Amino acid sequence: AQSVTQLDSHVSVSEGTPVLLRCNYSSSYSPSLFWYVQHPNKGLQLLLKYTSAATLVKGINGFEAEFKKSETSFHLTKPSAHMSDAAEYFCVVSGPYTGGFKTIFGAGTRLFVKA
Amino acid sequence: DAGITQSPRHKVTETGTPVTLRCHQTENHRYMYWYRQDPGHGLRLIHYSYGVKDTDKGEVSDGYSVSRSKTEDFLLTLESATSSQTSVYFCAISERDRANSYNEQFFGPGTRLTVL
Repeated sequence: AQSVTQLDSHVSVSEGTPVLLRCNYSSSYSPSLFWYVQHPNKGLQLLLKYTSAATLVKGINGFEAEFKKSETSFHLTKPSAHMSDAAEYFCVVSGPYTGGFKTIFGAGTRLFVKA
Repeated sequence: DAGITQSPRHKVTETGTPVTLRCHQTENHRYMYWYRQDPGHGLRLIHYSYGVKDTDKGEVSDGYSVSRSKTEDFLLTLESATSSQTSVYFCAISERDRANSYNEQFFGPGTRLTVL
């Protein structure tokens, strides 16, 4: 079975400070993992993806995430928040299951950035 | 942006009426998906397609049907809309790469549906 848990529904940071958005997953197989961002009234945009290559994945806009199999985590980080980072972020796990494949979205973490 | 359009972008309808949402892609991707997005739930898969005339149910398929008669079009139909189907609906597409891993999905702009 697959599942994904985003540990914080809301995160608030000050501009220029680090961002940490936490994601834990569960999968019976080696999954692919993704982070997407959604700005208000927009569709989802891919930030980065892990597909069994390097465990530290760099994405767009200075974001990166580290796949830690022992901790079943895929946390998203950024060294310095910018006002334009304020959005909702989704952690996603995708992989095979009996008869096909499945993609599961986390419930989302809303990031607030204070000036 | 990936070539994905959704129509209509906004719709208000009444309970009991049929509604069809259209997703159109120009990327020739094999897989197409319909999701609904509701506060606190992230995105939940309604139905997906893995080829022309090949579709399967997702986790919240009750009350919805789909059809895919061409690679580029994936239709979502609410046979008799209910207020619980008020939501934002997103279409997505993806393609599997040569390593057979699960590639990212590209999303359309969404359709906001209100059922009164």
